[in-house]
Amino acid sequence: DAGVIQSPRHEVTEMGQEVTLRCKPISGHDYLFWYRQTMMRGLELLIYFNNNVPIDDSGMPEDRFSAKMPNASFSTLKIQPSEPRDSAVYFCASSFLGGSTDTQYFGPGTRLTVL
Amino acid sequence: AQSVTQLDSQVPVFEEAPVELRCNYSSSVSVYLFWYVQYPNQGLQLLLKYLSGSTLVKGINGFEAEFNKSQTSFHLRKPSVHISDTAEYFCAVSDRGTYKYIFGTGTRLKVLA
Repeated sequence: DAGVIQSPRHEVTEMGQEVTLRCKPISGHDYLFWYRQTMMRGLELLIYFNNNVPIDDSGMPEDRFSAKMPNASFSTLKIQPSEPRDSAVYFCASSFLGGSTDTQYFGPGTRLTVL
Repeated sequence: AQSVTQLDSQVPVFEEAPVELRCNYSSSVSVYLFWYVQYPNQGLQLLLKYLSGSTLVKGINGFEAEFNKSQTSFHLRKPSVHISDTAEYFCAVSDRGTYKYIFGTGTRLKVLA
């Protein structure tokens, strides 16, 4: 299996621009998670989906952030407009309910820099 | 509310020495516990997990952890570290069945030659 795939791996943009991060979970997994990692705040859960439906978005920092999962093999995290404080590494993870172990498998991350 | 505390932000240790990375958690319900490792510029990789049963859990790369319910701890240990173990280690807790992790702030392990 290819594991969780994220694109792009690096993104540099200017303040005010729209940013879209992409994630392909492991085939057959039914949970998908978006995290943000910064030095100041560590790893924060932003939102997670079950069977393509958002279950908990309480970690989404503000309305500038949105996430979608149009099908079982694809999810996006969008920031519009972006701000310098959004600079972070964004991770996507997936897991499988049938495994009953709560184990999450992480992608390599997208390093976002907002100038 | 759940929380996870990793008291040590950095742990330097010489190669072939033993190491313990500490993790304490608070939760009002039964939990699953996890240790993940993050190598530079990579995602997180599962080291080991406690779900139920034996309180001593063995993971990959020679790591093990012990679940102590009375002390609400889940410390990670390795009897002899290698240079390649240099990485950041994260403890995480989830309420059973919620599939939602709370991560600690991480411990940076630096193995010295």
